[in-house]
Amino acid sequence: KQEVTQIPAALSVPEGENLVLNCSFTDSAIYNLQWFRQDPGKGLTSLLLIQSSQREQTSGRLNASLDKSSGRSTLYIAASQPGDSATYLCAVGVNAGNMLTFGGGTRLMVKP
Amino acid sequence: ETGVTQSPTHLIKTRGQQVTLRCSSQSGHNTVSWYQQALGQGPQFIFQYYREEENGRGNFPPRFSGLQFPNYSSELNVNALELDDSALYLCASSAEPGAFSEAFFGQGTRLTVV
Repeated sequence: KQEVTQIPAALSVPEGENLVLNCSFTDSAIYNLQWFRQDPGKGLTSLLLIQSSQREQTSGRLNASLDKSSGRSTLYIAASQPGDSATYLCAVGVNAGNMLTFGGGTRLMVKP
Repeated sequence: ETGVTQSPTHLIKTRGQQVTLRCSSQSGHNTVSWYQQALGQGPQFIFQYYREEENGRGNFPPRFSGLQFPNYSSELNVNALELDDSALYLCASSAEPGAFSEAFFGQGTRLTVV
């Protein structure tokens, strides 16, 4: 059974810092990995999708890497801003149907 | 804007009642998945529908059931509601099952069972 863990569970940083969020998974046989952002009480916004054959994806200030062999992904946020404050979730696609197994999330607060 | 819409946004039900939640998938998407998110936790997969057929199911009891319609919209039905069913229910749509398929989520339905 695939298990996904995100560390740390919560993170508070001053504005402008570069930061890394970590995601680990127990079974390397994944189809893809997706990072999401969730604002309090809201739905999920897709940030980046990395297919199993890819090593990284970039979108603006965000960069996500994938190391299937070690069961790890990282989300790098450059020059953090207060508007980045949210919960960040990683999810792995465990089969061809792209059914997602989620981690518990990292709650990020960026202080002005 | 993702294009996935869910209704209603909030709902309060009494234990033992039945509830139906609705989801309209993004245009061009034929796959809909449902997730349950308890407070402070990550979402958990309930089931997926692909072209009106159930395509996979998570570890949820049979009182959680669903439908997908010819226009690819979907319903989640929960019978005999329990207090632990209180959660945010999320619907996700994608173009086709597969590794290249990005999931787009709606804003969710907050269900409270009292």
